[in-house]
Amino acid sequence: DAKTTQPTSMDCAEGRAANLPCNHSTISGNEYVYWYRQIHSQGPQYIIHGLKNNETNEMASLIITEDRKSSTLILPHATLRDTAVYYCIAVWASNFGNEKLTFGTGTRLTIIP
Amino acid sequence: GAVVSQHPSRVICKSGTSVKIECRSLDFQATTMFWYRQFPKQSLMLMATSNEGSKATYEQGVEKDKFLINHASLTLSTLTVTSAHPEDSSFYICSATPTGIGAKNIQYFGAGTRLSVL
Repeated sequence: DAKTTQPTSMDCAEGRAANLPCNHSTISGNEYVYWYRQIHSQGPQYIIHGLKNNETNEMASLIITEDRKSSTLILPHATLRDTAVYYCIAVWASNFGNEKLTFGTGTRLTIIP
Repeated sequence: GAVVSQHPSRVICKSGTSVKIECRSLDFQATTMFWYRQFPKQSLMLMATSNEGSKATYEQGVEKDKFLINHASLTLSTLTVTSAHPEDSSFYICSATPTGIGAKNIQYFGAGTRLSVL
């Protein structure tokens, strides 16, 4: 799976949009980009994933560049509960959905009141 | 939907004893479950992939005889830490992924088990 690079930490004001970048310059054509987050002392939580089109769900939006070498996770209106470590993971998604994930160090996002 | 229950949430045991951790997918079937370990201020590290009805696949450096994994049904996987020692103290997390044609490779995680070995 392609290596991903994320900033170590970021701050964002409460109520503003949090934009978390991820570089995956060696991503292959059949690798998806997945985002998970881990709130302190809890298990990780799935946020969103995409292949090449931008995606949006109730939690966030995922913007993937046309060359697929980078992506941005957007939390549109950050709240204090969004304070967490966010992980960007590139992984081949088989039709059977049982591929393992390799977690990097992620981005520690702190929402400031 | 897609809830994974992990039990116990916290366990304290004496050195040399064995500890069993259960991971259940409550509302879906999971042919595959994963077990991770996380030390303080570090990221999750995959320990093993648990496959229903077959032997688990362990990551390099993980002792299979120390960390016994059983995946006896499509909704339950267990991790047993045998002869636990203080260095095994960690946060253990399981995940499960709904599998089958069209699955999206989304892993749903349990809340984790904090193991403290005295």
